[in-house]
Amino acid sequence: DAGVIQSPRHEVTEMGQEVTLRCKPISGHDYLFWYRQTMMRGLELLIYFNNNVPIDDSGMPEDRFSAKMPNASFSTLKIQPSEPRDSAVYFCASTWGGENIQYFGAGTRLSVL
Amino acid sequence: QKEVEQNSGPLSVPEGAIASLNCTYSDRVSQSFFWYRQYSGKSPELIMSIYSNGDKEDGRFTAQLNKASQYVSLLIRDSQPSDSATYLCAVNNNDMRFGAGTRLTVKP
Repeated sequence: DAGVIQSPRHEVTEMGQEVTLRCKPISGHDYLFWYRQTMMRGLELLIYFNNNVPIDDSGMPEDRFSAKMPNASFSTLKIQPSEPRDSAVYFCASTWGGENIQYFGAGTRLSVL
Repeated sequence: QKEVEQNSGPLSVPEGAIASLNCTYSDRVSQSFFWYRQYSGKSPELIMSIYSNGDKEDGRFTAQLNKASQYVSLLIRDSQPSDSATYLCAVNNNDMRFGAGTRLTVKP
């Protein structure tokens, strides 16, 4: 298995632009998580899905952030409009309910200028 | 109080020594506990999981769990320079909560 796949690996954009991050979980996993990591705040859970349904989005910082999971093999995290304080590494992780061990993608490093 | 707390470090140990990493958590009903290692610029990778009180050993790594004290630790024996990384403690109840991580440096 190729593991959790995230794209793009790096994204540089200007303030106000829309940013879309993508994630393909490991096949067979029924949970998908989006995290944000910064030096100041560490690894923060933004939202997670179970069987493509959002379960807890309490970590989503603002209405500018939205996430979707249209099917079991694809999820997006969108920021619109982006701001410099959104600069961070965004990780996607997946697992299946019987294991609880999360497998992380390589992350997307986002820089908003 | 943070849900999962770790000393941020940095923790520096000489090669061959035992590195001891500590973590406390606030949710008493938590059931699953994990240690992840994260090299600089990389994603977290699981190194240990523990679910019951006591010790769990895997090679040079030992995880210790004390639910009464809400305390989890990770011991790394015979530390190697390649162990230099940030170690994240994670606690799972209904979702996973991570500590801020402890940066470990193993000096040759």
